[in-house]
Amino acid sequence: ETGVTQTPRHLVMGMTNKKSLKCEQHLGHNAMYWYKQSAKKPLELMFVYNFKEQTENNSVPSRFSPECPNSSHLFLHLHTLQPEDSALYLCASSQGTGGPGETQYFGPGTRLLVL
Amino acid sequence: QKEVEQDPGPLSVPEGAIVSLNCTYSNSAFQYFMWYRQYSRKGPELLMYTYSSGNKEDGRFTAQVDKSSKYISLFIRDSQPSDSATYLCAMSGGGATNKLIFGTGTLLAVQP
Repeated sequence: ETGVTQTPRHLVMGMTNKKSLKCEQHLGHNAMYWYKQSAKKPLELMFVYNFKEQTENNSVPSRFSPECPNSSHLFLHLHTLQPEDSALYLCASSQGTGGPGETQYFGPGTRLLVL
Repeated sequence: QKEVEQDPGPLSVPEGAIVSLNCTYSNSAFQYFMWYRQYSRKGPELLMYTYSSGNKEDGRFTAQVDKSSKYISLFIRDSQPSDSATYLCAMSGGGATNKLIFGTGTLLAVQP
């Protein structure tokens, strides 16, 4: 295990549901990330948090709402999703401030299916 | 043109073969180059990390970076069935390219 945990591991939701994904890192890192991984596409960075402050929003639709209450926990709140949002959602953390060259440690991901 | 190009495979080799995985990129500002390995139903894990050009070796794995050609490679010697996974290249640089940019990943299957 890399020290980054994600729950739930699998999630099926309808387009009108509201659900949340949770990420926790036990590495003492300061930066946390959300990525989306779709089949045959590169990992897409969604959000970056540095010391609980959002430092990057990569033009993500508002139906995805992140929350970072502290440096160890990161949430992704989901509402009114579309079927094309079905993907593997990965959380990652890094020690520093999210700068270039920092090693990112990934969780196992949440496999999301939107019906 | 994508910033990072990677052949998605799948690549199937017999056990013991030498595997070569490659990525090309277009942004000359990239300075940090990484290879991640992702097993099925797992998150990516860092395998190799290289700064700027040159080679780096770790056991059966060798990472090469050729910045003049904007080309990076990962070689796996004496491949094992346990090496079967998706291999993702990733890179980042300074300034506007602080973000880690990933390739699509190459699916490798090592047949016993």
